Parts: sequence; C-alpha cells; structure tokens
Amino acid sequence: AQSVAQPEDQVNVAEGNPLTVKCTYSVSGNPYLFWYVQYPNRGLQFLLKYITGDNLVKGSYGFEAEFNKSQTSFHLKKPSALVSDSALYFCAVRDLTTRGSTLGRLYFGRGTQLTVWP
Amino acid sequence: DADVTQTPRNRITKTGKRIMLECSQTKGHDRMYWYRQDPGLGLQLIYYSFDVKDINKGEISDGYSVSRQAQAKFSLSLESAIPNQTALYFCATSDLQRGAEQYFGPGTRLTVT
Repeated sequence: AQSVAQPEDQVNVAEGNPLTVKCTYSVSGNPYLFWYVQYPNRGLQFLLKYITGDNLVKGSYGFEAEFNKSQTSFHLKKPSALVSDSALYFCAVRDLTTRGSTLGRLYFGRGTQLTVWP
Repeated sequence: DADVTQTPRNRITKTGKRIMLECSQTKGHDRMYWYRQDPGLGLQLIYYSFDVKDINKGEISDGYSVSRQAQAKFSLSLESAIPNQTALYFCATSDLQRGAEQYFGPGTRLTVT
C-alpha cells in the first residue's frame, strides 16, 4: 500500500534561517514524489516533484527537496526562510508500479504547518 | 489556479438537503479529481475520473456521487447532506503523463447544519 508520512504537524523557524519540512513515503515500487503548498483560503499549489535523475530537485519560490531512496524520504528545504513562506505544506506520492484504475492517483500526507516569524 | 474553477465557493446547507458542487477546467486535462480536506487529516480522495467514460471511487466515496458531463466538467453531489460532510472540497486536474502534477481549484467550503 502507498502512504506518506509527515512526522511534524508544525515547524517554526525564524526568518533568514534554513527550513526543513520532513516527508517519508512507502510504496511497493518506484515513486513519483511531489510537494504542494496551501496558503489560507486557497487551493494547493504545486512546488516541485521528483521523477528520476538528480536526487536534489529545485522548485518554485526557492524551495528544493532531496530524494533519498535508502531512507525513503523526500524532505523539503529552503536555505533562507521568509515570513511569506508561512503556509501548510503537503507531500504526496504516486506509485509507478500500480496498474489499472488506480494509476495516476496521488496519496497525500496530513500536512505540516510552517510558521516563519520575523 | 484560475484554470480550475469551483462553484460555489461557500455554501451552508441543512441536513438532508441535496447539494451539487461544480468544477470546470480550461487546461484540457483528461483526469479530474474530487478531494475533501479536514483539519489534521490532509486530503482524502472522494472520486476520480480519467476520462468522460471512466469514473472511479476513492477511499471516502460513501454519501457522494459524481458526474463527468464533459472533459472540462466534473460535478460532485451530496445526495442527502449530513453534518460530518462539513469540510473543504477541492477539485483537481492532471494530464495523462505519469509524472504529471495535479492542479487544484480554489475550493468550496461546505457547512452542513
């Protein structure tokens, strides 16, 4: 079964400091991995994804994520946090080996609330 | 994302009423999804459709039904609303590529009293 875990409900960081939002996954085969961000009263916005290739993926707004197959992790990072980065962040996984009608489904984590204080 | 629109944006309804949430997209995507978001639970998949003739249940389809009227339109219905269906509902779309990300609408906040 496919699943995603975001072990921290909340992450708090000071502006200018580096931030990390953690994500681990479980799939039966090779994963596609995604990060989304949700600002208040808005839908989810795509940040970045890992499909194949370089384990370090760069995305929107200066975010990046590192795929670690041995640790089954895909942590979201940013070198210098901004107050405007405060939002709810979701990790999601798609199992490449799944066939049939479930192909294409995303499985989401429960979300991590990031707060960046001035 | 303005390419995916949802109506209404907010709705308050009473227990037992039938209600329909509508989703339209201009991205030309074949795949459409309905999710429900509850605080602390993340997103749960209600239904998804890979084309007009293909409708699939997600993990929480009980109490819901859908209609894919066209490639661009995917509606979610609550046949007889109950209070625990109070939630934020999102529509999303994606194209056929296996690595494709999903694009989300702005959401509908539904309250069932």
